[in-house]
Amino acid sequence: SQELEQSPQSLIVQEGKNLTINCTSSKTLYGLYWYKQKYGEGLIFLMMLQKGGEEKSHEKITAKLDEKKQQSSLHITASQPSHAGIYLCGADRDSGGGADGLTFGKGTHLIIQP
Amino acid sequence: EAGVAQSPRYKIIEKRQSVAFWCNPISGHATLYWYQQILGQGPKLLIQFQNNGVVDDSQLPKDRFSAERLKGVDSTLKIQPAKLEDSAVYLCASSPTGGRAGELFFGEGSRLTVL
Repeated sequence: SQELEQSPQSLIVQEGKNLTINCTSSKTLYGLYWYKQKYGEGLIFLMMLQKGGEEKSHEKITAKLDEKKQQSSLHITASQPSHAGIYLCGADRDSGGGADGLTFGKGTHLIIQP
Repeated sequence: EAGVAQSPRYKIIEKRQSVAFWCNPISGHATLYWYQQILGQGPKLLIQFQNNGVVDDSQLPKDRFSAERLKGVDSTLKIQPAKLEDSAVYLCASSPTGGRAGELFFGEGSRLTVL
């Protein structure tokens, strides 16, 4: 089965600083998805990566999928308090993608210090 | 558009008791998922429904967990009898047919504490 390892487990950064979170897969990724979870709440979809070398951005968050499609990084530029939360990477449980349930990493806890 | 609704938000029970969680997905979403998130872990898929049929229940501990989605809309997840290790947040999610790949819409979860 697909296993996703995230690093670091937790991260404390000063407001305004940049940061990177990594997600490594034990198998080739057919689809890699980034989610954010605020404490005590459900997950919110951020973005999807499917092609090797693909890069997507949403506001100050950029995610990349490496050429081999086994590693993804999520980069936040000029962090703000609103970025605080748990970032989880998810992958398709099967190669078919689409509506299949996802496998998730353990998450990276991000704390932004004012 | 209303989001995924779950209840109860919090539940405390003693081991060997039973508990049920309810989920109402976003209107029109054919696929419904139940995930278990233990503290410090990522969500783990328990069961996936497509309309009222089960697509994947390979990780559902069937000796104590059961789930149904009788009319293809709302769903109930039951645990009977509960064990200490069942303490977790139970997340319900839904997705529409033909929606963006990997985009699941999650509820806020039901937090279970088993004493």
